Amino acid sequence: DTAVSQTPKYLVTQMGNDKSIKCEQNLGHDTMYWYKQDSKKFLKIMFSYNNKELIINETVPNRFSPKSPDKAHLNLHINSLELGDSAVYFCASSPDYYEQYFGPGTRLTVT
Amino acid sequence: DAKTTQPTSMDCAEGRAANLPCNHSTISGNEYVYWYRQIHSQGPQYIIHGLKNNETNEMASLIITEDRKSSTLILPHATLRDTAVYYCIVRGNEHYRDDKIIFGKGTRLHILP
Repeated sequence: DTAVSQTPKYLVTQMGNDKSIKCEQNLGHDTMYWYKQDSKKFLKIMFSYNNKELIINETVPNRFSPKSPDKAHLNLHINSLELGDSAVYFCASSPDYYEQYFGPGTRLTVT
Repeated sequence: DAKTTQPTSMDCAEGRAANLPCNHSTISGNEYVYWYRQIHSQGPQYIIHGLKNNETNEMASLIITEDRKSSTLILPHATLRDTAVYYCIVRGNEHYRDDKIIFGKGTRLHILP
């Protein structure tokens, strides 16, 4: 059974488009995250939500907007995509602050 | 910036214990040591965490020095599936709910057949 799932797995799109990445966790966790891993493999946190409340909002462009319709979902919407947005985006969830469970990632390519 | 220093890469023979070192000389009293790993093309996987006592779970053991300035992750019987990038991370306790996991460059561990 999938614990943290993301869709789509691959996303290829053109500059200027708007796209969304969906994340769902069936673990009953209260906290969810979005991370970005760039081409140099550096993994950085973008957002954190706890019970649908925004906890962490790193310095990311406001073209990125997370949306949490319920505790089990944290979607990432990106407006006006740029070449530099190309990366692998990981969703994660956590039951207790200490452990984080990551999804399989979404590879976004902006052309 | 990451608060830890790790070797860039290490090799270990299959079946042997893999010992991955980490320096965190500026760690403060309320900060835990975490280890995650990332197998190629997968999301990071939590391994273990500890404050000052040694910890063991089904995946690994974590040995933290008495002054807490360094630690070692031990995979007791490495297999080829343990080939991955291993991240040592220092992070505050749950009272710092906005404290982030900051991933550094990690150690690329190669398990050799």
